[in-house]
Amino acid sequence: KQEVTQIPAALSVPEGENLVLNCSFTDSAIYNLQWFRQDPGKGLTSLLLIQSSQREQTSGRLNASLDKSSGRSTLYIAASQPGDSATYLCAVRPSSNDYKLSFGAGTTVTVRA
Amino acid sequence: GAGVSQSPSNKVTEKGKDVELRCDPISGHTALYWYRQRLGQGLEFLIYFQGNSAPDKSGLPSDRFSAERTGESVSTLTIQRTQQEDSAVYLCASSLGRGGAVAGELFFGEGSRLTVL
Repeated sequence: KQEVTQIPAALSVPEGENLVLNCSFTDSAIYNLQWFRQDPGKGLTSLLLIQSSQREQTSGRLNASLDKSSGRSTLYIAASQPGDSATYLCAVRPSSNDYKLSFGAGTTVTVRA
Repeated sequence: GAGVSQSPSNKVTEKGKDVELRCDPISGHTALYWYRQRLGQGLEFLIYFQGNSAPDKSGLPSDRFSAERTGESVSTLTIQRTQQEDSAVYLCASSLGRGGAVAGELFFGEGSRLTVL
């Protein structure tokens, strides 16, 4: 059974600092990995999707890397802003025929102005 | 529509009553998912639809929970004889399904917050 872990559970940084969020998974046989953002009381917003054949994806200030062999993904957010404050979740999809994602519990980020 | 739409956004009900939660996926998305998120906890998978069929119902917590999808579009999650432990946010997501470079990317709705008194 795939276990997805996100450490730390919470993170507080001053505005302008770069953020590094970690996601680890126990079974390296994955199809893809997706990073989401969740604001309080809201649904999830997709940030980046990395296919198993890719090593990284970038979108604006966000960059996500994937190391399948070590079971890790890292989300980097450059030059953080107070608007980046949210909970960030990673989710792993096991195979092309299995659509059930395994989610981590998330990292709650606070960016202080 | 432009995104995944869920209704109602909030529902307060009394223990023992039945509730129906609705999800309108993004047009053309063949895959649809229901997840549950209890306060302060992670997402819990409930059920997945490919088209109108549900190949994986393994996450439904009990026989009080059921879901259907019609016209490869709208889905309804029904909870019968609600209990206090059913209180949670119920999130629906959709994805394109098979094929394509971004196949499998999930797009979530805002959720339906259920409170059982």
